[in-house]
Amino acid sequence: GQSLEQPSEVTAVEGAIVQINCTYQTSGFYGLSWYQQHDGGAPTFLSYNALDGLEETGRFSSFLSRSDSYGYLLLQELQMKDSASYFCAVKGGSYIPTFGRGTSLIVHP
Amino acid sequence: DTGVSQDPRHKITKRGQNVTFRCDPISEHNRLYWYRQTLGQGPEFLTYFQNEAQLEKSRLLSDRFSAERPKGSFSTLEIQRTEQGDSAMYLCASAAQVLDTGELFFGEGSRLTVL
Repeated sequence: GQSLEQPSEVTAVEGAIVQINCTYQTSGFYGLSWYQQHDGGAPTFLSYNALDGLEETGRFSSFLSRSDSYGYLLLQELQMKDSASYFCAVKGGSYIPTFGRGTSLIVHP
Repeated sequence: DTGVSQDPRHKITKRGQNVTFRCDPISEHNRLYWYRQTLGQGPEFLTYFQNEAQLEKSRLLSDRFSAERPKGSFSTLEIQRTEQGDSAMYLCASAAQVLDTGELFFGEGSRLTVL
């Protein structure tokens, strides 16, 4: 089976940088994805790492270390609108992404 | 194409009734997923279609749940004899097979409340 661990809540102030960690256990590995979900909304895709290293997309970056079964999402220049839940999802031995329980990010003024 | 659409957006039903949800994926996507999400949790996998073939079902999925994708386009998820524990948001997502970017496109979900 597959399991993921991520912090339940992270708080930060506007303009700051925040890192949301994700560790996973899986048999077989295709990639690690990150999604954002605002209250009442649908999850929206942020990034995907299939290989080790850092992927940058604007203010958001995602990192993967396959040897450590670990990844993180880095959010820079935080804005109030970044307050949301963030989920990591691992694609293991099939094409079925398994999601973590999510991290609630609260951005304060 | 405006994305993945789901219908109805909200459904309130009494325990023991049957409900059906519909998902229309992005037209060129041949992969279709159903997930369930409860408050404070991540999406939980229910079932997966590639074209019209149902390739995976969660072991957690009871036999009261059934899903179809008859022509490889839209999909339906039926829950028979609903229970209060079935109350959740039911999310549909689609993805393209040809270019696997790891991205799932989610619909807005169908929220089920079982009284």
